[in-house]
Amino acid sequence: NAGVMQNPRHLVRRRGQEARLRCSPMKGHSHVYWYRQLPEEGLKFMVYLQKENIIDESGMPKERFSAEFPKEGPSILRIQQVVRGDSAAYFCASSPRGQGSNTEAFFGQGTRLTVV
Amino acid sequence: AQSVSQHNHHVILSEAASLELGCNYSYGGTVNLFWYVQYPGQHLQLLLKYFSGDPLVKGIKGFEAEFIKSKFSFNLRKPSVQWSDTAEYFCAVNALNFGNEKLTFGTGTRLTIIP
Repeated sequence: NAGVMQNPRHLVRRRGQEARLRCSPMKGHSHVYWYRQLPEEGLKFMVYLQKENIIDESGMPKERFSAEFPKEGPSILRIQQVVRGDSAAYFCASSPRGQGSNTEAFFGQGTRLTVV
Repeated sequence: AQSVSQHNHHVILSEAASLELGCNYSYGGTVNLFWYVQYPGQHLQLLLKYFSGDPLVKGIKGFEAEFIKSKFSFNLRKPSVQWSDTAEYFCAVNALNFGNEKLTFGTGTRLTIIP
């Protein structure tokens, strides 16, 4: 059973470009979470999605960031018009049920975004 | 909103030394508690978790943690560390109030084991 797969592992973008980060959850998992880790900081929650629905986006910046989890295919975190401050490691996690149901989340290896 | 504090940012130990990493959280209700480890260049792996029951939790690789509700703490321990334990350790909390599905992480503790 493959784990949570994220790609690309490393992504370099120039300021103003768009970044697309992909996350394929573990088989059988319909709950996906995105977290961001800035240098010297812990992981910060961004967004929680179930298939085709955004459940909690309280951690998403108000502008330029969006996320989706379509019926078919991976979850996508999209950052438009990237700026240097977006440089970070972005982690995706998945779980078979919501975290409020005493379940654990499984994390991917992360995508390290560098904005130059 | 809940928060998680890991007071030790960088810990350096010799092999065979005992380890205790602190984790405190701020939330008065029911919580699920986790410790994750991140080896260099790898994804976060779950070391152990607490949902309910025995407050002393045993995890993988000889790690354990004790949930002390009165102190809002969930400290990680290992009696004898190995060089391979060099990694970053994150404490995380899920506050079980209605609609909360996210983990709140501490800033992490970097553990360096000297052979």
